[in-house]
Amino acid sequence: GAVVSQHPSRVICKSGTSVKIECRSLDFQATTMFWYRQFPKQSLMLMATSNEGSKATYEQGVEKDKFLINHASLTLSTLTVTSAHPEDSSFYICSARAGGGYNSPLHFGNGTRLTVT
Amino acid sequence: GENVEQHPSTLSVQEGDSAVIKCTYSDSASNYFPWYKQELGKGPQLIIDIRSNVGEKKDQRIAVTLNKTAKHFSLHITETQPEDSAVYFCAARSSSGNTPLVFGKGTRLSVIA
Repeated sequence: GAVVSQHPSRVICKSGTSVKIECRSLDFQATTMFWYRQFPKQSLMLMATSNEGSKATYEQGVEKDKFLINHASLTLSTLTVTSAHPEDSSFYICSARAGGGYNSPLHFGNGTRLTVT
Repeated sequence: GENVEQHPSTLSVQEGDSAVIKCTYSDSASNYFPWYKQELGKGPQLIIDIRSNVGEKKDQRIAVTLNKTAKHFSLHITETQPEDSAVYFCAARSSSGNTPLVFGKGTRLSVIA
């Protein structure tokens, strides 16, 4: 089945530094990937839609200069949290749609637990 | 935009009993309804999905029903097992363009052995 790999699974960084999270579709090509944020015991909040070869589309309230998204190939999207602060600590999850159609199933990575100290 | 409501937020059942989780959606144009299972510290895993041209779909112990008129859909798990314990999310997606999934708030299912 479709596999989405996310790396790293956990990262701890100091306040003010930047962290890059990678999301790869291992056995399929993904022109679109989605980045979500999840707070403890809450639902998934869509942050942005990552489009291969073009700029990401950010949801309202998400700072595009803080959460940099790059989707340089059909199998890789990266999310960089710049100048991280403790309030950025969260569980970040990427997803990709297997298959070209809009109604293709969406598969998720295993998430990245970011802790900013 | 789409709004998805999910109930209950927590559910405890005895092993072997059935569990039912219900969701409603607001956008009548939505045509795709997946269910995800999320275990602690992991990403959501797609367990079953249903499209608007189908009223019911079953996969072993899991079934999903869809009532388009009432705009609600439900997940049914029969013969529950302790490994079914997890958080379950319903979601809906509009048919208009490359729109993202909208998720419910999740249901924490506990299966008691």
